[in-house]
Amino acid sequence: GEDVEQSLFLSVREGDSSVINCTYTDSSSTYLYWYKQEPGAGLQLLTYIFSNMDMKQDQRLTVLLNKKDKHLSLRIADTQTGDSAIYFCALRGGSQGNLIFGKGTKLSVKP
Amino acid sequence: EAGVTQSPTHLIKTRGQQVTLRCSPISGHTSVYWYQQALGLGLQFLLWYDEGEERNRGNFPPRFSGRQFPNYSSELNVNALELEDSALYLCASSLSWDRPNTEAFFGQGTRLTVV
Repeated sequence: GEDVEQSLFLSVREGDSSVINCTYTDSSSTYLYWYKQEPGAGLQLLTYIFSNMDMKQDQRLTVLLNKKDKHLSLRIADTQTGDSAIYFCALRGGSQGNLIFGKGTKLSVKP
Repeated sequence: EAGVTQSPTHLIKTRGQQVTLRCSPISGHTSVYWYQQALGLGLQFLLWYDEGEERNRGNFPPRFSGRQFPNYSSELNVNALELEDSALYLCASSLSWDRPNTEAFFGQGTRLTVV
């Protein structure tokens, strides 16, 4: 089945850029998403990219997709303490159709 | 416009009991997904309903079941609760699978504690 891998932790200083990485196995995935989860809350959709794109920018967020290497990344520019949360990479499409999530990357932002 | 709503927000049950969790999707969304988020385990896919039918099921025992109603709301039922069922249960909705714009939006979840 589909496998989505993320590193579990990332720590950055306020004002720096954060890059959260995700690798996946199913090359037929058509939609790729980034979600944010703050403590005790549900998941908030941050941004998404279609598989026919290689980059999408949305304010401080930049998503890069390398289909050849099956690698997705989320760059957060000028990271703020309010960006501290768990970030999930998710894929849709391929053989299953439902959303498949990575285990999440916990981003800690130090002042 | 209302987002995905889940009820109840918190629930405490005793081992062996049964529980029903409810989810109302965003208006116009016909797909509903259920996920279990246990501590330290990420999101585990449970069930996916679209247009009233079960489309896919995750690796959970049969005591986890659900259904989708004609108005596209959904229930998740868990029988014979075990301590390890304690988790945040998240529901998400999206447009039907075969539509081009298929972002999935999540509710705030139901926190289930089994004692």
